[in-house]
Amino acid sequence: DIVLTQSPGALSLSPGERVTVSCRASQSVSSTYLAWYQQKPGQAPRLLIYGASRRATGIPDRFSGSGSGTDFTLSINRLEPEDFAVYFCQHYSSSPSWTFGQGTKVEIK
Amino acid sequence: QVQLVQSGAEVKKPGASVKVSCKASGYTFTSYYIHWVRQAPGQGLQWMGIINPSGGSTNYAQNFQGRITLTSDTSTTTVYMEVSSLTSDDTAVYFCARDHNTDGFRHFDYWGQGALVTVSS
Repeated sequence: DIVLTQSPGALSLSPGERVTVSCRASQSVSSTYLAWYQQKPGQAPRLLIYGASRRATGIPDRFSGSGSGTDFTLSINRLEPEDFAVYFCQHYSSSPSWTFGQGTKVEIK
Repeated sequence: QVQLVQSGAEVKKPGASVKVSCKASGYTFTSYYIHWVRQAPGQGLQWMGIINPSGGSTNYAQNFQGRITLTSDTSTTTVYMEVSSLTSDDTAVYFCARDHNTDGFRHFDYWGQGALVTVSS
């Protein structure tokens, strides 16, 4: 099974800063099936990015995704107060199965 | 608008079963698969299984094979997840989510609000 490893596990930043979250797959995966979600406390996850780089409907353009093969990145330009949350990457494989990274918590410094 | 509304919190004793519902609205129920995902307190997301509401075919994650059952009722546009032989390790929030499987992509585009299941003696 594919394992997704996110780094860092947590980071403390100030509003206005840029953040980069990494998601590394244990083997090469299709970017078509790589997604990113945001989760705030007490809420369900929300789709941010799909197909590694495509923003979901209504997601601000300060969010972007990139990568291919085994290395994928979620970037947030100019952190807003509402962006402090936990971020998960996810991959679909044709077994079928869906795998999530362990999450990256973005905290206010 | 698309909505997935789940049933409320449950408290169960070890060894019991729990059945959580997920009522879908705002789209053609039989056109989209539904997933179940759980999240233990303070932990990450774990995929449990998927059901095709049209026909009821299912696939379960290996970790849950034999212990969960997904069903659907097209008359009420509701999907159900039942977990049996509960232990304290099953204490978690259980989410349903809609599967996006068009235009070549595959991800979860809408989520239910979650249902907390607490297993305690």
